[in-house]
Amino acid sequence: DAKTTQPNSMESNEEEPVHLPCNHSTISGTDYIHWYRQLPSQGPEYVIHGLTSNVNNRMASLAIAEDRKSSTLILHRATLRDAAVYYCILRDEHTSGTYKYIFGTGTRLKVLA
Amino acid sequence: ETGVTQSPTHLIKTRGQQVTLRCSSQSGHNTVSWYQQALGQGPQFIFQYYREEENGRGNFPPRFSGLQFPNYSSELNVNALELDDSALYLCASSPGTRFYEQYFGPGTRLTVT
Repeated sequence: DAKTTQPNSMESNEEEPVHLPCNHSTISGTDYIHWYRQLPSQGPEYVIHGLTSNVNNRMASLAIAEDRKSSTLILHRATLRDAAVYYCILRDEHTSGTYKYIFGTGTRLKVLA
Repeated sequence: ETGVTQSPTHLIKTRGQQVTLRCSSQSGHNTVSWYQQALGQGPQFIFQYYREEENGRGNFPPRFSGLQFPNYSSELNVNALELDDSALYLCASSPGTRFYEQYFGPGTRLTVT
């Protein structure tokens, strides 16, 4: 099975950048790397996704290693509302053509005022 | 526009019983995915339904089954409940099978005693 590895927790000061790493050494060549976050008592919400090139959107940036075995989610200026568990997610495709999604254990981000 | 809704919010069942959880997808979405999230863990993919057909499944036994209706709402059924089935059950809908378009509901908290 595909697997993602993330640090259990990280801390950041408010208004500072945060780099959240994810290791996904088992990724296949065609799989996207997805990031979702889960705020307390809510379902996960989409943050960003990418394949090979670095990606930017209004929420974050995604830096993908050249060998695609790791990626880093970058929050440019963390706010208190960014305190959440951040998940790096892969799709694991079976030979039968069906697939499943693999969430890592997630990184709990604490933002300090 | 109504988002993804799930019912009930909370549920308590006894070991060996059967349970049905319900999910109403967001308007315009034809795909529903179900996830199990144990306390302190990341979501585990159960299965996905696209236009009423199952097209992806995680490592869950056959006593976890599902259904998607013509209006694209969905049910998750769990037979012969075990204590380890206690978890938050999340439903996500999307306009297709692309993962990054998934919108999650708030979940149903199932407790098995």
